[in-house]
Amino acid sequence: QVQLVQSEAEVKKPESSVKVSCKTSGDSFSSKAFSWVRQAPGRGLEWMGGTIPIFGTPAYSAKFLGRATITADASTKTVFMELRSLRSDDTAVYYCARGDYYESNGYYSGPFEIWGQGTLVSVSS
Amino acid sequence: EVVLTQSPATLSVSPGERATLSCRASQSVGSNLAWYQQKPGQAPRLLIHSAFIRATDIPARFSGSGSGTDFTLTISSLQSEDFAVYYCQQYNKWPPVTFGPGTNVDRK
Repeated sequence: QVQLVQSEAEVKKPESSVKVSCKTSGDSFSSKAFSWVRQAPGRGLEWMGGTIPIFGTPAYSAKFLGRATITADASTKTVFMELRSLRSDDTAVYYCARGDYYESNGYYSGPFEIWGQGTLVSVSS
Repeated sequence: EVVLTQSPATLSVSPGERATLSCRASQSVGSNLAWYQQKPGQAPRLLIHSAFIRATDIPARFSGSGSGTDFTLTISSLQSEDFAVYYCQQYNKWPPVTFGPGTNVDRK
């Protein structure tokens, strides 16, 4: 059974950076689509960006472009999300999620079939 | 960016009753629409994708319909384990992928 196992909770200072990892077990890695979704306390789901490792270039929400970096390491079947210049309103649970991709004049993620357990990132001075 | 609107924000239902949740997109997303269930302290769980296809191991009481801009999730006979928040999501050509604000299904 495929699982996504994320790194442990982090406590960070404002203006610092955090890097969250998501290790996948089981079958194929590079031919899947991975996304990062965050959820602030008591709030809804917010997509940050994603990547399809076989095609390389990540896609980002405009809100996080330039502040977030998503990378993938096929050798360890791990996806990473780094967020820089942290602010208090970045306090949230960060989820990785995986699905198939589809082609339609480009390559895009399908629905998110499998989710990690979530990583709480707390930003406070 | 495609904006998703969900209604109602809260739906109060008794066990055994039918629940109907709505999701409207600001522009057409074709059938690239999914529904997720989230319980407190848990990650979301995929229920429906491609507007109407149930995900693996999802009970038949969950059904989805619609295409283009108007979508519906129906729970035919609500069970106690179905009290949760439900989100719709469009994945029509990222970026971005967007989620609706959610509908909280609680006990009447």
